[in-house]
Amino acid sequence: KQEVTQIPAALSVPEGENLVLNCSFTDSAIYNLQWFRQDPGKGLTSLLLIQSSQREQTSGRLNASLDKSSGRSTLYIAASQPGDSATYLCAVDNAGNNRKLIWGLGTSLAVNP
Amino acid sequence: DAGITQSPRHKVTETGTPVTLRCHQTENHRYMYWYRQDPGHGLRLIHYSYGVKDTDKGEVSDGYSVSRSKTEDFLLTLESATSSQTSVYFCAISEASGTQPQHFGDGTRLSIL
Repeated sequence: KQEVTQIPAALSVPEGENLVLNCSFTDSAIYNLQWFRQDPGKGLTSLLLIQSSQREQTSGRLNASLDKSSGRSTLYIAASQPGDSATYLCAVDNAGNNRKLIWGLGTSLAVNP
Repeated sequence: DAGITQSPRHKVTETGTPVTLRCHQTENHRYMYWYRQDPGHGLRLIHYSYGVKDTDKGEVSDGYSVSRSKTEDFLLTLESATSSQTSVYFCAISEASGTQPQHFGDGTRLSIL
């Protein structure tokens, strides 16, 4: 049974730091891994989707990597800003159809001015 | 932002009453999903739809039913609400299944007393 873990549960950093959020999964037979951000009282916003054949994806200051063999993904945020404060969730798609996404519980990030 | 509207945004009701939540999209996406989000459990899929009148169960479907009579609307019904169904409910849509990320609405906070 696929399990997704995100560590740490909460993180507080000063503005300007580069930081890494971690996501680990137990079953390496995945179709893709997705990173989302959730602001308080809001829905989720898709950040990056990495297909199983890819090693990384980049969008602006965000870079997500995927290592299927070790069951790990990292989300790298460069030059963090207070506006990056949010909860970041990763989800693993085992079936390739969005119907069986397995979600982590998220990392709550606070970037302090 | 993807055009997804959830209504109502907040609702308080009593045990045993029927409740219907509505998700309306303006993106003409084929796939629609209902999730619930609870502390310590992360996001869990309730039901999803892969076209008009085509729906299927998710991970936690007991006590819930859905209907999709038009591409743009996906309704979630709690036939007889219970306190265990107190949660935040999210609707999501996606253009394709498995290769495109989902886009989420802002959620409905449902309290059942």
